[in-house]
Amino acid sequence: NAGVTQTPKFRVLKTGQSMTLLCAQDMNHEYMYWYRQDPGMGLRLIHYSVGEGTTAKGEVPDGYNVSRLKKQNFLLGLESAAPSQTSVYFCASSYSSKNYGYTFGSGTRLTVV
Amino acid sequence: SQQGEEDPQALSIQEGENATMNCSYKTSINNLQWYRQNSGRGLVHLILIRSNEREKHSGRLRVTLDTSKKSSSLLITASRAADTASYFCATDPLGTTDSWGKFQFGAGTQVVVTP
Repeated sequence: NAGVTQTPKFRVLKTGQSMTLLCAQDMNHEYMYWYRQDPGMGLRLIHYSVGEGTTAKGEVPDGYNVSRLKKQNFLLGLESAAPSQTSVYFCASSYSSKNYGYTFGSGTRLTVV
Repeated sequence: SQQGEEDPQALSIQEGENATMNCSYKTSINNLQWYRQNSGRGLVHLILIRSNEREKHSGRLRVTLDTSKKSSSLLITASRAADTASYFCATDPLGTTDSWGKFQFGAGTQVVVTP
């Protein structure tokens, strides 16, 4: 049981480049989330999904897009990377929205130069 | 916006001592959760306490919740070097359907346990 798997683990992008971060979970969870973690700021929600085919904006969605074509996968895209998007990105999933904790992936460290 | 704020920001103790950290939040909640993050790793769920609960235990962890003060504490008893990590509280805000499951995390307490 792998849990939540994020790929890649590390990436360096040049300003203006695009990339996609992949999150895959094998726990049949309905809910999936993308967070970014910056020093001293905790985790901030970028986008989330409450089920296959659904997506919604979180607290800091600008500059990111997401897709959930399959229940087990949640993709985070950066269309035109900016240095402000340098961060560690975490994907999480949850069985339910009520009274269940998140299972997190191990993170993707992204640097935009 | 950060709903939960942990205090202290950093804590250094010796093995065998107890570690206590606090979390304050601003709005009413469905539940509050604590997570641990080891350096360079993802967050690991430790414990969830519902808004109608006052105390919960899990192994060496004890969590209290005071909804009147909008605060929670996490106590780690008989700490070990392996407890060295950052600890985050996350709140599940009470509100409309739109807010369900969108936990809000604090900036964390960094705990260092020295042998």
